[in-house]
Amino acid sequence: AQSVAQPEDQVNVAEGNPLTVKCTYSVSGNPYLFWYVQYPNRGLQFLLKYITGDNLVKGSYGFKAEFNKSQTSFHLKKPSALVSDSALYFCAVRVPYSGNTPLVFGKGTRLSVIA
Amino acid sequence: GAGVSQSPSNKVTEKGKDVELRCDPISGHTALYWYRQSLGQGLEFLIYFQGNSAPDKSGLPSDRFSAERTGGSVSTLTIQRTQQEDSAVYLCASSPPGQGAWETQYFGPGTRLLVL
Repeated sequence: AQSVAQPEDQVNVAEGNPLTVKCTYSVSGNPYLFWYVQYPNRGLQFLLKYITGDNLVKGSYGFKAEFNKSQTSFHLKKPSALVSDSALYFCAVRVPYSGNTPLVFGKGTRLSVIA
Repeated sequence: GAGVSQSPSNKVTEKGKDVELRCDPISGHTALYWYRQSLGQGLEFLIYFQGNSAPDKSGLPSDRFSAERTGGSVSTLTIQRTQQEDSAVYLCASSPPGQGAWETQYFGPGTRLLVL
């Protein structure tokens, strides 16, 4: 069965510093990986996804994520955090050839960027 | 263009009452998903509709939960005889007509349900 782990419930970072939100996955075969962000009282917004090709994926709002097959990780990164990046971040996985079936989500990581 | 919309945005009900939650997917999207977001539990898949196929109900937690999708568009999630543990945010998502696992899901703002 496929699963996603986000080992940190909370990440705190100072504004202007680089941020990393961690995600590891467990699937049979190669994964398709997604990051979503949830701002307060709003639904999830798609940030980026890894399907194939370049391991470094660029997404919205200056975020990027690096797919690392050997470490089964897909950490979300941003070189300089903004206070407005404070939100709840979810990593999700899907197995290729499974069709557009429901995503399997991690439990989320709350990012707090401090001015 | 218009995104996924959900109504109501908030719902407070008494234990034992039935509730209906509505989702309007993005126009043209054939796949529709319901998830539940409980505090500290991440997103839990409930039910999935793909076009005219029979829905995947494997995520529904009990037979008190049901959903339908009329005309391949609007969906209603019904919870009968609500319990306090049903309190959560119910999120709806839709996905474009492609059948690939690479398709992105687009989420609505959710309905926050509180069962007293």
